[in-house]
Amino acid sequence: NAGVTQTPKFQVLKTGQSMTLQCAQDMNHNSMYWYRQDPGMGLRLIYYSASEGTTDKGEVPNGYNVSRLNKREFSLRLESAAPSQTSVYFCASSERGTSYEQYFGPGTRLTVT
Amino acid sequence: DAKTTQPPSMDCAEGRAANLPCNHSTISGNEYVYWYRQIHSQGPQYIIHGLKNNETNEMASLIITEDRKSSTLILPHATLRDTAVYYCIVRVVSNYQLIWGAGTKLIIKP
Repeated sequence: NAGVTQTPKFQVLKTGQSMTLQCAQDMNHNSMYWYRQDPGMGLRLIYYSASEGTTDKGEVPNGYNVSRLNKREFSLRLESAAPSQTSVYFCASSERGTSYEQYFGPGTRLTVT
Repeated sequence: DAKTTQPPSMDCAEGRAANLPCNHSTISGNEYVYWYRQIHSQGPQYIIHGLKNNETNEMASLIITEDRKSSTLILPHATLRDTAVYYCIVRVVSNYQLIWGAGTKLIIKP
């Protein structure tokens, strides 16, 4: 039971390049999330998927797109990377219910030069 | 969702109880209090949550004041591995979004 996995762990992009961050969970959770965390700050929600087939914007969606490929997988795409998108990206998943306890992946450290 | 206020940093001696305060004076009746921690830039880890009653699990205890305007997370016997940033978050249970502040950096000293 791997929990939430993310690939890649590290990535360096040049301004204007595109890339997709991958996330998968094996806990059969309905909901999945993408966050970014800048140095010394808390996490900010980019997009979330309450259930398979749905996606919604979070606090900071500009410059990103997402795809809920199936119940297990939720990907985040940067179409034209900018230095302001240099950050650590975390994927999380949760089950519905009163707990909404979120389980997080190890993160992807992205640098845009 | 209501905002929270936490001290930026705290120290605690190893083996002692660590008490982390959180103010959430604008909390509304349907908002829960959640605690997460983040150890050295790893993915955050859920600790505990509660509505109005005190809660305890294998990791910690959560004490919520009667007026629900503040809470305290208690780690009963802190170890060096409890050194982390601790986040207090309030949220409406039906709202998928967690609003994260800067948290409290807890340093456990030998």
